[in-house]
Amino acid sequence: GDSVTQMEGPVTLSEEAFLTINCTYTATGYPSLFWYVQYPGEGLQLLLKATKADDKGSNKGFEATYRKETTSFHLEKGSVQVSDSAVYFCASGEGSSASKIIFGSGTRLSIRP
Amino acid sequence: DTGVSQNPRHKITKRGQNVTFRCDPISEHNRLYWYRQTLGQGPEFLTYFQNEAQLEKSRLLSDRFSAERPKGSFSTLEIQRTEQGDSAMYLCASPIAGGQSTNTGELFFGEGSRLTVL
Repeated sequence: GDSVTQMEGPVTLSEEAFLTINCTYTATGYPSLFWYVQYPGEGLQLLLKATKADDKGSNKGFEATYRKETTSFHLEKGSVQVSDSAVYFCASGEGSSASKIIFGSGTRLSIRP
Repeated sequence: DTGVSQNPRHKITKRGQNVTFRCDPISEHNRLYWYRQTLGQGPEFLTYFQNEAQLEKSRLLSDRFSAERPKGSFSTLEIQRTEQGDSAMYLCASPIAGGQSTNTGELFFGEGSRLTVL
C-alpha cells in the first residue's frame, strides 16, 4: 500500500536558518501530497498541498515541490522563526480521489531565538 | 475553530471497560474520517464514511472497535473491552472541500479525544 517516509527529528535550528525536512512517498498512482503542522497545544492543520507532478505548494513562507522522478515532497523555508516550532507531518492522498490520507511519523522542529 | 467537534476531550478508563467517542463534523460534508495518533507518531487511518456508509476499515480496527454514522451526520467510535494499548488520541476529520465536490484529500481535524486506559 501507499506509504510516506519523512526525516526523523527532532530538528533544532537557530532563528533565520534555512530549513529542509525531507519526505518521500510510495504510491501505485499519482497521489496528492500534503504537509500538515501541529503547533504546541493545537490540532493538526493543513500547511500546504500539491496535487500533481511539478506543482509547488506554498504557505507562510514554506514551500514544497511535487517531484515525481524522485517521489519526494521536501518541505523548505528560507528563514525560520521561533513561531515555526511545531511538529510537521508529510502526507499523501491515496488514489486519484484521495479517499484516504496516509501520514508520515512527523518531524519535531524547534527554533532557538 | 475548525468546525469539527469531538467529545469527550479526555477519557480515563480502566482496562476492560467500554468507551464511546463522538464526532460532530462540519455540516454538509459527506465524508468523515477517524484516525488514531499515539505519542511521537503520525495519525494512523482507522476508517471513513461516505454519508452513512462505512467504506473502508483499517486492519488496526479490531473487532473490539466499531464506528457508526447514523443518518450521515455525527459519528461515534466505540471501543469495547479496552486495553492499555488503546491509549491514544482519537481524531475525527472532515474534508475541507465542499460536501459534494471532488475530494482532494485536505482535511479539517478536530482537537481529538484522548483515551487513557489504566
